[in-house]
Amino acid sequence: GAVVSQHPSWVICKSGTSVKIECRSLDFQATTMFWYRQFPKQSLMLMATSNEGSKATYEQGVEKDKFLINHASLTLSTLTVTSAHPEDSSFYICSARDPSGTSGSSYEQYFGPGTRLTVT
Amino acid sequence: SQQGEEDPQALSIQEGENATMNCSYKTSINNLQWYRQNSGRGLVHLILIRSNEREKHSGRLRVTLDTSKKSSSLLITASRAADTASYFCATSPTGGATNKLIFGTGTLLAVQP
Repeated sequence: GAVVSQHPSWVICKSGTSVKIECRSLDFQATTMFWYRQFPKQSLMLMATSNEGSKATYEQGVEKDKFLINHASLTLSTLTVTSAHPEDSSFYICSARDPSGTSGSSYEQYFGPGTRLTVT
Repeated sequence: SQQGEEDPQALSIQEGENATMNCSYKTSINNLQWYRQNSGRGLVHLILIRSNEREKHSGRLRVTLDTSKKSSSLLITASRAADTASYFCATSPTGGATNKLIFGTGTLLAVQP
């Protein structure tokens, strides 16, 4: 099956700093990637849809100026949490869809292992 | 909120027993998927059922879908301790962005050895 990686696996940063999280599709090209946030013992909440070569589409209530998304290539999307605060501490997960369906069903999303962000 | 709901929130069973989890959703869908998540890890895709399907099997997993009731169930038969994880349903709404997924609240399954 298709593999999606995230880097870093976890990061601790100070309040007010910015943190960049990378999401890569390793063996397929993904025109669309998705970013989710998951608080402890809660479900995944979709933050934004990242489209290669165009602006991301943000879900209601998600600040686009705070969570900057760049999808510069067909295998890489980045999420930058700007001016992070303790309430941004969460588990961030990305997923990617293989539109060619060669890695499996074209409906299926492949999830990265997640990045745990702790803001002190 | 579009988020679906799952019940039970948590379930503890003995090894060998069957586990059933239910998912309800709010909108018309293209398909419904079930995912598994071990604590603090990413998601693993388990099974996908299309809106025109009523039941699907994959190994020890059985999924049903009732679009009239906007509900689905996941049955894990002959459970094992290794099945301990959180299970989420996720729907792909019709008319939405391609492959946008709305996740349910999840069921935490604990299988006691």
